[in-house]
Amino acid sequence: GENVEQHPSTLSVQEGDSAVIKCTYSDSASNYFPWYKQELGKRPQLIIDIRSNVGEKKDQRIAVTLNKTAKHFSLHITETQPEDSAVYFCAALGMKTSYDKVIFGPGTSLSVIP
Amino acid sequence: KAGVTQTPRYLIKTRGQQVTLSCSPISGHRSVSWYQQTPGQGLQFLFEYFSETQRNKGNFPGRFSGRQFSNSRSEMNVSTLELGDSALYLCASDWGVGVDEQFFGPGTRLTVL
Repeated sequence: GENVEQHPSTLSVQEGDSAVIKCTYSDSASNYFPWYKQELGKRPQLIIDIRSNVGEKKDQRIAVTLNKTAKHFSLHITETQPEDSAVYFCAALGMKTSYDKVIFGPGTSLSVIP
Repeated sequence: KAGVTQTPRYLIKTRGQQVTLSCSPISGHRSVSWYQQTPGQGLQFLFEYFSETQRNKGNFPGRFSGRQFSNSRSEMNVSTLELGDSALYLCASDWGVGVDEQFFGPGTRLTVL
């Protein structure tokens, strides 16, 4: 079955610096890769996603890159702010018509130090 | 539109008891997935229901079960509770067709004493 690995498990950066979180997946059929952010005591919320026909996607300070050949994708946060502190989960999803399920990575706890 | 809701928000049970958790998806969403979240374990997939049928199942023992009603509301049941079942249980809903964003509920915090 699908397996998603995520690194690092914890990350501390100074405010204004960049943060990068990397994930690898095992199922070459995976074609949708969302990233969720979970602030302390709150529910996970989608912050950005990428589909397999795209190599990179940006949304303001957040970007995601996908390398299908190597089966890895990364989240990049630039100009980090204290409110970026949270746990970030990557995930991989196969086609729903084949009933593949969402597999989440173990999460990365990001701390942005003011 | 209203988001995903879960009841109850907090629950305290003792070992051996059973518990039922409820999840109401976003209106129109037909897929409901359940996750167990514990510190250090991330989001562990329990199962997914679509149109009242279990479509996917994670690697949890048979003590964990669920069902979905015709209005897409879903319930999760855990029988013979163990201390290790203490966790935040999250449900998430989506349209269930194609690939799309999952919307999470606030979760039910279950404590087993």
